[in-house]
Amino acid sequence: RKEVEQDPGPFNVPEGATVAFNCTYSNSASQSFFWYRQDCRKEPKLLMSVYSSGNEDGRFTAQLNRASQYISLLIRDSKLSDSATYLCVVNMEAGNMLTFGGGTRLMVKP
Amino acid sequence: EPEVTQTPSHQVTQMGQEVILRCVPISNHLYFYWYRQILGQKVEFLVSFYNNEISEKSEIFDDQFSVERPDGSNFTLKIRSTKLEDSAMYFCASSGDSRYTEAFFGQGTRLTVV
Repeated sequence: RKEVEQDPGPFNVPEGATVAFNCTYSNSASQSFFWYRQDCRKEPKLLMSVYSSGNEDGRFTAQLNRASQYISLLIRDSKLSDSATYLCVVNMEAGNMLTFGGGTRLMVKP
Repeated sequence: EPEVTQTPSHQVTQMGQEVILRCVPISNHLYFYWYRQILGQKVEFLVSFYNNEISEKSEIFDDQFSVERPDGSNFTLKIRSTKLEDSAMYFCASSGDSRYTEAFFGQGTRLTVV
């Protein structure tokens, strides 16, 4: 069973659209959760941490549902520069390693 | 803004050769990691390092791999006898004073084994 699962996409959206990504994780004892973005052949860059109460950073909103083991990322007013792969990342209970999902590719078109 | 730096950005090596990938983590961070990403695949954990020793390693991190922090700033990954399947992007990362805080990644070293 995959530990962190994401829809690979691609999601093709017009500029200004709202888009939502989902992620599920298998370990109910997971401790911390993150969204990273990765541009083609570049390193993962931290977008935001995900807290139980939900959190927002500008156009980005992250939600965590521990009961369903589900994480979401909402991007409002999409920009061309938002085109990237969005990685759901979970720190499992067992140690300090990060477990990455396969990523969801977003393409924002003019 | 502090960042993780890696050298070289690209390394080409012959099968069976040894390579050393170098990283300078963010200076006040305590946890250091190596991850790899084979082209088109997900990012995979290799090893974590804390307090001058390996704290965790994955199944990928077998006897051909080793890590070292030879001085106060560098963190290295050595692959003793490279195989074709070691070709990947290798990312170094570091995180602060808790193992559950965010990790920051270097720009990666693209290793090509021929």
